[in-house]
Amino acid sequence: ILNVEQSPQSLHVQEGDSTNFTCSFPSSNFYALHWYRWETAKSPEALFVMTLNGDEKKKGRISATLNTKEGYSYLYIKGSQPEDSATYLCAFDNFNKFYFGSGTKLNVKP
Amino acid sequence: KAGVTQTPRYLIKTRGQQVTLSCSPISGHRSVSWYQQTPGQGLQFLFEYFSETQRNKGNFPGRFSGRQFSNSRSEMNVSTLELGDSALYLCASRSDGNWEQYFGPGTRLTVT
Repeated sequence: ILNVEQSPQSLHVQEGDSTNFTCSFPSSNFYALHWYRWETAKSPEALFVMTLNGDEKKKGRISATLNTKEGYSYLYIKGSQPEDSATYLCAFDNFNKFYFGSGTKLNVKP
Repeated sequence: KAGVTQTPRYLIKTRGQQVTLSCSPISGHRSVSWYQQTPGQGLQFLFEYFSETQRNKGNFPGRFSGRQFSNSRSEMNVSTLELGDSALYLCASRSDGNWEQYFGPGTRLTVT
């Protein structure tokens, strides 16, 4: 069983704050790393898929970086908004077999 | 394009019974994966089907099984239900050569 860890477990920030989360995964036999956003009562929504060491992806105010050699990825949210409130999941893609972290629950207060 | 659909959305079963959940992937997607989420646990991978064959399997007991039909629709079966099987079951589909998975809304199973 592969171990994927996310930190922190939860985060409470004020609107306008910037924040970041960490995802740690095994550094050997890397294939891909996925980030998802999961809002309450909805389905998980894909944010990024990262495959190469040094990858940086950006979508609006959200960006992510990847370090496969040391086994971590960061997700950044710039200027958090209440609509960013959700659980952010990372998943280590081991050749189509996904190992999810337990997520970081973000609460953005207006 | 219609998204991933799962039926039923909610289900209540009694310990010892069996249950079948259904997942219809996005049209053209041949890969379907199943996940279980229990309170306090992250999403746990059950299995993946591709072109009617189980391609990957997670660490779940043999009571959990699945299959995929020629139209890529997939079913998951849990036999001899236990209280601990109460969970949200999600399926996700993926197209060939595409990294992204698209999730369905899930089936909430309660075992009493």
